Amino acid sequence: GAGVSQSPSNKVTEKGKDVELRCDPISGHTALYWYRQSLGQGLEFLIYFQGNSAPDKSGLPSDRFSAERTGGSVSTLTIQRTQQEDSAVYLCASSKPGQGTYEQYFGPGTRLTVT
Amino acid sequence: SQQGEEDPQALSIQEGENATMNCSYKTSINNLQWYRQNSGRGLVHLILIRSNEREKHSGRLRVTLDTSKKSSSLLITASRAADTASYFCATDNGGTSYGKLTFGQGTILTVHP
Repeated sequence: GAGVSQSPSNKVTEKGKDVELRCDPISGHTALYWYRQSLGQGLEFLIYFQGNSAPDKSGLPSDRFSAERTGGSVSTLTIQRTQQEDSAVYLCASSKPGQGTYEQYFGPGTRLTVT
Repeated sequence: SQQGEEDPQALSIQEGENATMNCSYKTSINNLQWYRQNSGRGLVHLILIRSNEREKHSGRLRVTLDTSKKSSSLLITASRAADTASYFCATDNGGTSYGKLTFGQGTILTVHP
Protein backbone atom coordinates (compact mmCIF):
# COMPACT_ATOMS: atom_id res chain seq x y z
CA GLY A 1 0.00 0.00 0.00
CA ALA A 2 0.93 3.66 -0.16
CA GLY A 3 3.41 4.92 2.36
CA VAL A 4 3.70 8.29 4.04
CA SER A 5 4.02 11.07 1.51
CA GLN A 6 5.34 14.57 2.01
CA SER A 7 5.31 17.66 -0.14
CA PRO A 8 7.17 19.50 -1.37
CA SER A 9 10.30 17.37 -1.45
CA ASN A 10 12.45 20.48 -1.53
CA LYS A 11 11.66 24.05 -0.59
CA VAL A 12 13.89 27.08 -0.88
CA THR A 13 12.58 30.22 0.74
CA GLU A 14 13.83 33.64 1.70
CA LYS A 15 14.38 34.56 5.30
CA GLY A 16 11.23 36.07 6.78
CA LYS A 17 8.78 34.23 4.53
CA ASP A 18 6.23 31.70 5.76
CA VAL A 19 6.27 28.07 4.57
CA GLU A 20 3.83 25.20 4.74
CA LEU A 21 4.91 21.59 4.66
CA ARG A 22 2.39 18.83 4.04
CA CYS A 23 2.20 15.24 5.24
CA ASP A 24 -0.16 12.49 4.12
CA PRO A 25 0.03 9.60 6.59
CA ILE A 26 -0.71 5.97 5.88
CA SER A 27 -4.46 5.39 5.77
CA GLY A 28 -5.76 4.15 9.11
CA HIS A 29 -2.79 5.34 11.14
CA THR A 30 -4.10 7.29 14.09
CA ALA A 31 -0.81 8.81 15.18
CA LEU A 32 1.20 11.37 13.21
CA TYR A 33 4.57 12.84 14.14
CA TRP A 34 6.79 15.61 12.85
CA TYR A 35 10.56 15.52 13.34
CA ARG A 36 13.35 17.77 12.18
CA GLN A 37 16.80 16.61 11.18
CA SER A 38 19.70 19.00 10.92
CA LEU A 39 23.46 18.58 10.99
CA GLY A 40 23.97 20.14 14.36
CA GLN A 41 20.95 18.77 16.20
CA GLY A 42 20.35 15.30 14.81
CA LEU A 43 16.74 14.08 14.77
CA GLU A 44 14.45 16.20 16.95
CA PHE A 45 10.84 15.54 17.82
CA LEU A 46 8.57 18.48 17.02
CA ILE A 47 4.91 17.55 17.50
CA TYR A 48 2.69 14.47 17.87
CA PHE A 49 -0.99 13.99 17.02
CA GLN A 50 -2.88 10.97 18.34
CA GLY A 51 -6.49 10.54 17.35
CA ASN A 52 -8.72 13.27 18.76
CA SER A 53 -6.44 14.05 21.70
CA ALA A 54 -4.75 17.40 22.10
CA PRO A 55 -1.43 17.32 20.25
CA ASP A 56 1.87 17.05 22.11
CA LYS A 57 3.62 20.25 21.05
CA SER A 58 6.49 19.96 23.48
CA GLY A 59 9.13 19.78 20.74
CA LEU A 60 8.22 22.89 18.79
CA PRO A 61 11.26 25.19 19.03
CA SER A 62 9.40 28.50 18.98
CA ASP A 63 5.97 30.04 18.51
CA ARG A 64 6.83 30.52 14.84
CA PHE A 65 6.14 26.80 14.41
CA SER A 66 2.64 25.38 14.36
CA ALA A 67 0.93 22.31 12.98
CA GLU A 68 -2.54 21.08 12.41
CA ARG A 69 -4.10 17.82 11.41
CA THR A 70 -7.38 18.04 9.60
CA GLY A 71 -9.95 15.25 9.80
CA GLY A 72 -7.48 12.97 11.53
CA SER A 73 -5.51 12.55 8.34
CA VAL A 74 -3.42 15.13 6.47
CA SER A 75 -1.16 17.38 8.51
CA THR A 76 0.42 20.73 7.72
CA LEU A 77 3.47 22.11 9.50
CA THR A 78 3.71 25.88 9.21
CA ILE A 79 6.81 27.90 9.91
CA GLN A 80 6.27 31.65 10.05
CA ARG A 81 8.95 34.27 9.46
CA THR A 82 11.53 31.64 8.58
CA GLN A 83 15.08 31.98 9.86
CA GLN A 84 18.27 30.44 8.50
CA GLU A 85 18.46 28.10 11.48
CA ASP A 86 15.15 26.58 10.32
CA SER A 87 17.01 24.99 7.40
CA ALA A 88 16.72 21.24 7.88
CA VAL A 89 14.96 18.14 6.61
CA TYR A 90 11.47 17.92 8.06
CA LEU A 91 10.28 14.35 8.45
CA CYS A 92 6.76 13.13 9.03
CA ALA A 93 5.85 9.70 10.37
CA SER A 94 2.70 7.81 11.20
CA SER A 95 1.84 4.75 13.27
CA LYS A 96 -0.99 2.81 14.91
CA PRO A 97 -0.08 2.86 18.60
CA GLY A 98 -3.64 2.24 19.68
CA GLN A 99 -3.40 -1.24 18.23
CA GLY A 100 -0.09 -1.99 19.85
CA THR A 101 1.89 -1.25 16.71
CA TYR A 102 4.53 1.18 17.80
CA GLU A 103 6.89 1.30 14.86
CA GLN A 104 6.73 4.51 12.91
CA TYR A 105 6.63 4.77 9.15
CA PHE A 106 8.49 7.76 7.81
CA GLY A 107 7.95 9.83 4.72
CA PRO A 108 10.84 10.91 2.49
CA GLY A 109 11.03 14.33 4.12
CA THR A 110 10.99 17.92 2.94
CA ARG A 111 14.36 19.61 2.65
CA LEU A 112 13.90 23.24 3.65
CA THR A 113 16.56 25.77 2.80
CA VAL A 114 16.21 29.31 4.10
CA THR A 115 18.41 31.81 2.25
CA SER B 1 18.57 16.89 23.59
CA GLN B 2 19.03 13.33 22.41
CA GLN B 3 18.40 10.59 24.95
CA GLY B 4 20.15 7.94 22.93
CA GLU B 5 23.88 8.00 22.55
CA GLU B 6 25.33 5.70 19.98
CA ASP B 7 28.76 4.37 19.36
CA PRO B 8 30.66 4.17 17.28
CA GLN B 9 29.78 7.33 15.39
CA ALA B 10 31.18 5.73 12.25
CA LEU B 11 32.02 2.15 11.35
CA SER B 12 33.78 0.90 8.24
CA ILE B 13 33.91 -2.82 7.46
CA GLN B 14 34.32 -5.27 4.58
CA GLU B 15 31.45 -7.19 3.05
CA GLY B 16 30.82 -10.41 4.92
CA GLU B 17 31.95 -9.05 8.27
CA ASN B 18 29.62 -8.40 11.17
CA ALA B 19 28.75 -4.90 12.32
CA THR B 20 27.87 -4.05 15.89
CA MET B 21 26.40 -0.73 16.96
CA ASN B 22 25.61 0.28 20.52
CA CYS B 23 23.07 2.63 22.02
CA SER B 24 22.73 3.96 25.55
CA TYR B 25 19.84 5.87 27.00
CA LYS B 26 19.05 7.69 30.23
CA THR B 27 15.43 7.18 31.30
CA SER B 28 13.10 4.19 31.52
CA ILE B 29 11.57 3.05 28.26
CA ASN B 30 8.48 1.36 26.90
CA ASN B 31 10.36 0.03 23.90
CA LEU B 32 13.49 0.69 21.87
CA GLN B 33 13.57 0.74 18.09
CA TRP B 34 16.27 0.73 15.45
CA TYR B 35 15.93 2.58 12.17
CA ARG B 36 18.04 2.83 9.03
CA GLN B 37 18.42 5.94 6.91
CA ASN B 38 19.85 6.12 3.43
CA SER B 39 21.07 9.33 1.87
CA GLY B 40 19.77 11.57 4.64
CA ARG B 41 16.10 11.15 3.83
CA GLY B 42 13.30 8.89 5.12
CA LEU B 43 13.94 6.41 7.91
CA VAL B 44 13.04 2.75 7.65
CA HIS B 45 12.02 0.79 10.73
CA LEU B 46 14.20 -2.27 11.31
CA ILE B 47 13.27 -3.84 14.59
CA LEU B 48 11.51 -3.09 17.88
CA ILE B 49 12.35 -4.59 21.24
CA ARG B 50 10.08 -4.13 24.22
CA SER B 51 11.34 -3.30 27.69
CA ASN B 52 10.56 -6.82 28.95
CA GLU B 53 12.52 -8.49 26.13
CA ARG B 54 16.24 -9.17 26.16
CA GLU B 55 16.97 -10.27 22.62
CA LYS B 56 15.24 -10.22 19.27
CA HIS B 57 16.14 -11.45 15.80
CA SER B 58 14.99 -10.45 12.35
CA GLY B 59 16.82 -11.96 9.40
CA ARG B 60 20.46 -10.87 9.67
CA LEU B 61 19.66 -8.47 12.51
CA ARG B 62 20.04 -9.22 16.18
CA VAL B 63 19.11 -6.71 18.85
CA THR B 64 19.81 -6.99 22.54
CA LEU B 65 18.46 -4.88 25.36
CA ASP B 66 19.87 -4.53 28.86
CA THR B 67 17.53 -2.34 30.86
CA SER B 68 19.75 -2.51 33.95
CA LYS B 69 22.55 -0.86 31.95
CA LYS B 70 20.14 1.19 29.83
CA SER B 71 21.81 -0.01 26.68
CA SER B 72 21.05 -1.84 23.45
CA SER B 73 23.09 -3.23 20.63
CA LEU B 74 22.33 -3.92 16.99
CA LEU B 75 24.29 -6.66 15.25
CA ILE B 76 24.19 -7.02 11.48
CA THR B 77 25.68 -10.34 10.42
CA ALA B 78 27.28 -11.11 7.06
CA SER B 79 27.10 -7.48 6.00
CA ARG B 80 26.51 -6.41 2.41
CA ALA B 81 27.38 -3.24 0.54
CA ALA B 82 23.64 -2.47 0.51
CA ASP B 83 23.74 -2.22 4.32
CA THR B 84 25.70 1.03 3.96
CA ALA B 85 23.53 3.61 5.73
CA SER B 86 23.08 5.51 8.97
CA TYR B 87 21.55 3.56 11.83
CA PHE B 88 19.62 5.18 14.66
CA CYS B 89 18.28 3.86 17.90
CA ALA B 90 15.12 5.49 19.23
CA THR B 91 13.44 5.14 22.58
CA ASP B 92 9.74 5.28 23.30
CA ASN B 93 9.55 6.39 26.90
CA GLY B 94 5.86 5.63 27.33
CA GLY B 95 3.80 7.49 29.93
CA THR B 96 2.80 10.94 28.77
CA SER B 97 5.39 10.62 25.99
CA TYR B 98 3.65 7.53 24.64
CA GLY B 99 4.53 6.97 21.01
CA LYS B 100 6.99 9.86 20.83
CA LEU B 101 10.49 8.72 19.86
CA THR B 102 13.76 10.17 21.08
CA PHE B 103 16.56 9.43 18.64
CA GLY B 104 20.25 8.90 19.14
CA GLN B 105 22.85 10.65 17.02
CA GLY B 106 23.29 7.61 14.81
CA THR B 107 26.09 5.40 13.53
CA ILE B 108 27.27 5.77 9.95
CA LEU B 109 28.01 2.31 8.60
CA THR B 110 30.06 1.83 5.45
CA VAL B 111 30.37 -1.66 4.02
CA HIS B 112 33.07 -2.00 1.38
CA PRO B 113 32.52 -4.54 -1.40
